Amino acid sequence: DSGVTQTPKHLITATGQRVTLRCSPRSGDLSVYWYQQSLDQGLQFLIQYYNGEERAKGNILERFSAQQFPDLHSELNLSSLELGDSALYFCASSPGQSSYNEQFFGPGTRLTVL
Amino acid sequence: AQTVTQSQPEMSVQEAETVTLSCTYDTSESDYYLFWYKQPPSRQMILVIRQEAYKQQNATENRFSVNFQKAAKSFSLKISDSQLGDAAMYFCAYRTMDSNYQLIWGAGTKLIIKP
Repeated sequence: DSGVTQTPKHLITATGQRVTLRCSPRSGDLSVYWYQQSLDQGLQFLIQYYNGEERAKGNILERFSAQQFPDLHSELNLSSLELGDSALYFCASSPGQSSYNEQFFGPGTRLTVL
Repeated sequence: AQTVTQSQPEMSVQEAETVTLSCTYDTSESDYYLFWYKQPPSRQMILVIRQEAYKQQNATENRFSVNFQKAAKSFSLKISDSQLGDAAMYFCAYRTMDSNYQLIWGAGTKLIIKP
């Protein structure tokens, strides 16, 4: 158990819908990262937050947005869902934003878009 | 931009034997971190081993060790005395030292352990 929690574990929805994925980092960790793991694209970095502020953006679609709240939990919002958005979404956290900080991964949220 | 390549989609090894998983990467940076992550069927991403590029000594964690060749940009993972519980997808990942601390991932190698 990494100490990072993600809810829900599974999510099934229809095209065009909007969903919110939630992540609670390890106690004391200030950085949160979101990754997408899909069959055709592999693992891709989406976005990073540090202490409530966005720090880095990767291959995140405009239909996707995220935020980190004062209690440091983070939410990833996915809207106008398409079949291709079906994937495993991971959240990871680390103590700070230094490169040597290990990232601890949550169990992931499996999103299925029908 | 940095890239990570894992050229072996699948590897198999007999239980108790040794197996080496390959990883190469491309970067213009001199300092960075390299990682091997394991993803078992549970889908949990588990850190196996980490290597700092400025360290010449290869990292070792129990039965897991790496062969880090900085000039060749190669970072292979050796698993000794393979166990059934080692069966998983193994991902090589690169992390920059600049302000964007994202992990850049290889495509993964599926490791099968034969009893």
